[in-house]
Amino acid sequence: TQLLEQSPQFLSIQEGENLTVYCNSSSVFSSLQWYRQEPGEGPVLLVTVVTGGEVKKLKRLTFQFGDARKDSSLHITAAQPGDTGLYLCASRARGGGNQFYFGTGTSLTVIP
Amino acid sequence: DAMVIQNPRYQVTQFGKPVTLSCSQTLNHNVMYWYQQKSSQAPKLLFHYYDKDFNNEADTPDNFQSRRPNTSFCFLDIRSPGLGDAAMYLCATSRALGREQFFGPGTRLTVL
Repeated sequence: TQLLEQSPQFLSIQEGENLTVYCNSSSVFSSLQWYRQEPGEGPVLLVTVVTGGEVKKLKRLTFQFGDARKDSSLHITAAQPGDTGLYLCASRARGGGNQFYFGTGTSLTVIP
Repeated sequence: DAMVIQNPRYQVTQFGKPVTLSCSQTLNHNVMYWYQQKSSQAPKLLFHYYDKDFNNEADTPDNFQSRRPNTSFCFLDIRSPGLGDAAMYLCATSRALGREQFFGPGTRLTVL
């Protein structure tokens, strides 16, 4: 069962544009992680958000955890070609046992 | 540097011929995971080990098995590969369930 839905699934933008990726669920999460996967490599953790309403910044990336801890967003300012990759949210549902789920993924292409 | 190592990076096998993929870690993490990832899709968890405890996802085919002889090594055995098993196989580790996962570079399996 897929608990985490990401949107959009695919995104192609020009260098310098801004974008937002969303991760939504009907379940409440104790924490949520964002990973980026570059072609031919494994995913790499970008950030973990824990507290409802929490905002974290990583250079041009801004991550937000929803107040109800059921959704999260990733905003990229002035996208660069190096931001190209598959962005994945991931979490384990509260009270959901040991299952750890990745979201459906957002494939981002930044065109120079 | 502490890391997750997967060998080989590319594996070619024949339809129905058993194949084993290897993963090792120097992080001394308790949990090791195996994921299957098909093109432009999110990684799909096959199973994980918490120490010696094996946890199989409900929808993982019986064709897939795993072994963890010690903390450092974990193997993915595909007993009778089909064309649909061609994919990237990712190994990951974490200190505990729900914590940050560290991924290897993956093994791309081709089934002829």
